[in-house]
Amino acid sequence: KQEVTQIPAALSVPEGENLVLNCSFTDSAIYNLQWFRQDPGKGLTSLLLIQSSQREQTSGRLNASLDKSSGRSTLYIAASQPGDSATYLCAVTGANNLFFGTGTRLTVIP
Amino acid sequence: GAGVSQTPSNKVTEKGKYVELRCDPISGHTALYWYRQSLGQGPEFLIYFQGTGAADDSGLPNDRFFAVRPEGSVSTLKIQRTERGDSAVYLCASSRNSRGRTRTGELFFGEGSRLTVL
Repeated sequence: KQEVTQIPAALSVPEGENLVLNCSFTDSAIYNLQWFRQDPGKGLTSLLLIQSSQREQTSGRLNASLDKSSGRSTLYIAASQPGDSATYLCAVTGANNLFFGTGTRLTVIP
Repeated sequence: GAGVSQTPSNKVTEKGKYVELRCDPISGHTALYWYRQSLGQGPEFLIYFQGTGAADDSGLPNDRFFAVRPEGSVSTLKIQRTERGDSAVYLCASSRNSRGRTRTGELFFGEGSRLTVL
């Protein structure tokens, strides 16, 4: 069964810093990888989707990379802002299912 | 509507009662998923529909849980004889997938239904 791990579990940074969130998965036979943001008490908002044939995707201050062979993905956030504070979840897609990590809780301190 | 809609947003019930949770996916999305999320955990897969049929129900924890999607759009998750351990946020997601093709589409989630079993 696919297992997805996210490190660190929690991270606090001062406003303006660049930061990297890590995601690793055990089974490299994936169709795609998706990064989500979740605010407290809310649903998940899709940030970036990387197909298995791609190596990275960018959206504004966010850049996600995928190394399928080593089972790793990173989410890079540039020039962090207090509004970026949330839990970030990565999920990998198998045949019919998304497998989620437990998330990284990010706090950006003004 | 523009996004995935879930009702009710909050449901408090007593142990042993029957509960229904509804999901209205994005119009035109053929794939629909139900997930369950406990506090501090990532979402846990329950069931996946492609059109009207359950393509994968391997995540349903036991036979008290059942889901339907009779017309290929709205889905209802049904929980019989609720237990305190069923308390969680139940998330629904949909994606645009052609019938029969490998699932590669981006998932869009609703706000969830928070179930509390007393």
